[in-house]
Amino acid sequence: KAGVTQTPRYLIKTRGQQVTLSCSPISGHRSVSWYQQTPGQGLQFLFEYFSETQRNKGNFPGRFSGRQFSNSRSEMNVSTLELGDSALYLCASGWTGSETQYFGPGTRLLVL
Amino acid sequence: GEDVEQSLFLSVREGDSSVINCTYTDSSSTYLYWYKQEPGAGLQLLTYIFSNMDMKQDQRLTVLLNKKDKHLSLRIADTQTGDSAIYFCAEQGTASKLTFGTGTRLQVTL
Repeated sequence: KAGVTQTPRYLIKTRGQQVTLSCSPISGHRSVSWYQQTPGQGLQFLFEYFSETQRNKGNFPGRFSGRQFSNSRSEMNVSTLELGDSALYLCASGWTGSETQYFGPGTRLLVL
Repeated sequence: GEDVEQSLFLSVREGDSSVINCTYTDSSSTYLYWYKQEPGAGLQLLTYIFSNMDMKQDQRLTVLLNKKDKHLSLRIADTQTGDSAIYFCAEQGTASKLTFGTGTRLQVTL
């Protein structure tokens, strides 16, 4: 069974640009969560989607948004990039979200 | 609010047992997890324990949960150099949100 896949794996952007990251969950999983990992703040929860609806949201500004499609694939978007958005963005999937979650390899974003 | 704490660093010799500790604050946690992260990689789910259990064993891994003290530990038996990585403890409270600790860097020496 294929694991969680994330594309692209690496991205370099400049301040002010926007970026879209993609996550394909494990087949059959309907919950997708996103996390940001930085050396200073560690792993922080961004949001969770289930059946195309945002069910839970972390403490991030409105520049961070996401969506989920009918096939459970999810995208997250960051607009007006700032240097501090440089991070590893991880996506996790689960059957319903209230049980074990499996992570993808992450997308490493560098903002210059 | 939820908070999870771990020590930052642990060094052990190959063949010894490693014990990584974690404390959490959310008494309503349903699942508690251990994830492993190798350099440049994502998070690998190692094991988890449901909050009504006090111990779980899975091959070389043993998880102990003391719910009264909100203390979780991961014991790795016969630690190998391939076990060198960062280990994250995480608690799952409301819905699917995971709250992670800062991670413990395990260094295995020969």
